[in-house]
Amino acid sequence: GQQLNQSPQSMFIQEGEDVSMNCTSSSIFNTWLWYKQDPGEGPVLLIALYKAGELTSNGRLTAQFGITRKDSFLNISASIPSDVGIYFCAGQKAPEYGNKLVFGAGTILRVKS
Amino acid sequence: DAGVTQSPTHLIKTRGQHVTLRCSPISGHKSVSWYQQVLGQGPQFIFQYYEKEERGRGNFPDRFSARQFPNYSSELNVNALLLGDSALYLCASSLALDRFSYEQYFGPGTRLTVT
Repeated sequence: GQQLNQSPQSMFIQEGEDVSMNCTSSSIFNTWLWYKQDPGEGPVLLIALYKAGELTSNGRLTAQFGITRKDSFLNISASIPSDVGIYFCAGQKAPEYGNKLVFGAGTILRVKS
Repeated sequence: DAGVTQSPTHLIKTRGQHVTLRCSPISGHKSVSWYQQVLGQGPQFIFQYYEKEERGRGNFPDRFSARQFPNYSSELNVNALLLGDSALYLCASSLALDRFSYEQYFGPGTRLTVT
């Protein structure tokens, strides 16, 4: 089952608002990645984080690798309608634990009507 | 450059049948991973292959098997299909397995429906 806890499960956005979501784990990860998935498509890589404390931006997106290596957050500034979708965090443990990504259950972003 | 490609896009099978799903990685990528995504959940790891060798296996029954070919493309096989195997099957490729080559890029997936 899932080992990463993502919150919130879903949220409504209004154009121009800033959005925050986070991901926590009971165990340490070496790498954190954030993906976005649109309906009927595969996840698209947004940001990869490799070092505890690292803060990385990709356009309006900013993500941080928590210093405990057990959490990460993603911020979206000045949201636009195309930001709607499902956002997943994923973690990779040290190589001795196997080369796989562990995913959270996702945060669903919807447009506020 | 082409991204990860998967075939078929959709598939409907009956319980007890077997299925083969195919994946071609991004050109130059040597590792392929397979994930199962059930509706409403994040992807679950099934297999990883690198240089034609299995490098990781998730918690899936032996009905699931995979292989990687010399051109780095891959097949996922599922035997004796169950209703619970209905899901989106995603293939992801990465350059290599060392930490900084590990970013995984996903294909569009194959939607499998078992009736």
